[in-house]
Parts: sequence; C-alpha cells; structure tokens
Amino acid sequence: RKEVEQDPGPFNVPEGATVAFNCTYSNSASQSFFWYRQDCRKEPKLLMSVYSSGNEDGRFTAQLNRASQYISLLIRDSKLSDSATYLCAVNSGFKTIFGAGTRLFVKA
Amino acid sequence: DVKVTQSSRYLVKRTGEKVFLECVQDMDHENMFWYRQDPGLGLRLIYFSYDVKMKEKGDIPEGYSVSREKKERFSLILESASTNQTSMYLCASSPGGENYNEQFFGPGTRLTVL
Repeated sequence: RKEVEQDPGPFNVPEGATVAFNCTYSNSASQSFFWYRQDCRKEPKLLMSVYSSGNEDGRFTAQLNRASQYISLLIRDSKLSDSATYLCAVNSGFKTIFGAGTRLFVKA
Repeated sequence: DVKVTQSSRYLVKRTGEKVFLECVQDMDHENMFWYRQDPGLGLRLIYFSYDVKMKEKGDIPEGYSVSREKKERFSLILESASTNQTSMYLCASSPGGENYNEQFFGPGTRLTVL
C-alpha cells in the first residue's frame, strides 16, 4: 500500500461545477499536510496548507480528518484555469511524501 | 520571491556516463531535496539534506549520490547512468526545521538516458 494515495482521475467537469478530491495517508504520526498544484510541464507549487480545523481560500476549501487519515480539497465554481494536477503532500519529520496527483480538466 | 534554479531543463546522456544535476536556491533555506517524477508514480524522494554536508537517503537512493558543500547548492550525481533513470528530476528547498514547511521547487530537469 502506498503511503499517500489519491484517485488519479482524470476528473472532467464543466465550468462552474464543484469538484472534490480526497487523499488518504497511512502514517498516523504525520504532522502536516498540504495541497500542491502542478500545471503541465511545470513544477509543483503550494496551493494551500491543510489545518485540523479546516481552512478556506476563496473557492478552495481544505479539510483534514485525522481519525480516518484523509485530507480533502473542494473547488467551488470551477474555472478553466483550475485545470491542472493536484498533489497532496504529507509531512513526517523532515520527509514529505507526495501523492501521485489527481488530474482535473475544466471544460467550457 | 524564493527562487530555485536547476542547471539544465533538458539533458541527454548515454548509459554508463556520470551525470551531475545542480540545484541552487537563493533564500537561505536549510532543507533541500531531490525527487524524481514519473507518470503514475508521482514524486519520489531520492535524497534530502537538512544542513551543509548533511545528507539523508530518501525512498529510492540506489544509483544516486548527493553533495551539499554550500548551503545554497545541492547536487545530485548519477554515478553510472542507466536507462531506468530516465525521468524528470525536481529539486526543492524549504526553511529550517521539521514538518510544517512548504517546499519550493525548481523547474525540473528532464533527463533521458540512451
């Protein structure tokens, strides 16, 4: 079993749709959690950190469920520019484990 | 703005060659990382360093070594390149300490080993 698992997708959604991604992790001692965005042929960039209480940044909401060991990302009112691969990342000490990513295509 | 630069965007080498991939960051970050990214496998950690001259193996260190002689520079070395090392290599850095820090990535080096 992979340490961090994501549904690879792709998710194909129309503009304006709400889409949700989940990511599960196996190490219960993991301390911090992130969502990164990676555009085609580009490097990953931090989208948002994920806090225990959940956090929101505009159209994006991230949540953490420690009991079930998963994190989620919700994108509301999808835009064409949201098309990308979304990577979840889980930190344990110095080490960060990344999921393989979920591809999102938003279509007009 | 944090900047992480990598020496080459594209590199083509032959089997058995020694390959050096260089990474430089300009934000005085303590931690530096080397990953490779392959379709369906995501980012896999090769080596990381949390201080000058310090290095730790990641999940897939076999066939690789690293060097960190200066804080801003972290080099990945393929001692004898093989075709299964064809991949995208990403360098990243983060501020000191464990856990909660985001990583800043370089643009990547796409290495092809023939």
